[in-house]
Amino acid sequence: GAGVSQTPSNKVTEKGKYVELRCDPISGHTALYWYRQSLGQGPEFLIYFQGTGAADDSGLPNDRFFAVRPEGSVSTLKIQRTERGDSAVYLCASSPPRSSYNEQFFGPGTRLTVL
Amino acid sequence: DQQVKQNSPSLSVQEGRISILNCDYTNSMFDYFLWYKKYPAEGPTFLISISSIKDKNEDGRFTVFLNKSAKHLSLHIVPSQPGDSAVYFCAASDVNTGKLIFGQGTTLQVKP
Repeated sequence: GAGVSQTPSNKVTEKGKYVELRCDPISGHTALYWYRQSLGQGPEFLIYFQGTGAADDSGLPNDRFFAVRPEGSVSTLKIQRTERGDSAVYLCASSPPRSSYNEQFFGPGTRLTVL
Repeated sequence: DQQVKQNSPSLSVQEGRISILNCDYTNSMFDYFLWYKKYPAEGPTFLISISSIKDKNEDGRFTVFLNKSAKHLSLHIVPSQPGDSAVYFCAASDVNTGKLIFGQGTTLQVKP
């Protein structure tokens, strides 16, 4: 079956611009997570959706970052007024309902470069 | 404050030998621990997990050991194969939110 997909795979933008990153989770997965991975580091949690609502957005670094999941499936991570420090790989993951050990399935990521 | 730490950035082993990757954590409330493997330009893929109430879980060539008193876990791969060469991440599951907290990763190279 299809895994988690993310588009675009690469995004290059200029400082100050607005970007949207899209995540298509595995069909039937109710939980969706966004992480950010900087060079040489592990993925860092940003936000978690259970269905349509954001259950935990404590990892969003500031109010320039926002994410939505209006129909409980596809999610969009939105970054306003991008800064060079936002450059990273943005990973999306989903997990099925009643996952006993919280296994999360990751997409390939979107590499964001802010010039 | 790094709650999950992988102190060895890299490890090199000979094919057929054992690879041991280590991970330390600070929060005793974590309920599950997971190991992920990552190849370049791909997302992390799940490898093996262990519940905080267990001390060992085995799946084929992969075994994870948990020492709760030391807040330490390790992943053993035996025998190691060149295809195991990748970055390995240790992750801990937050029982309250389900988010995963990752270590910095260890790059494993298995030489033929």
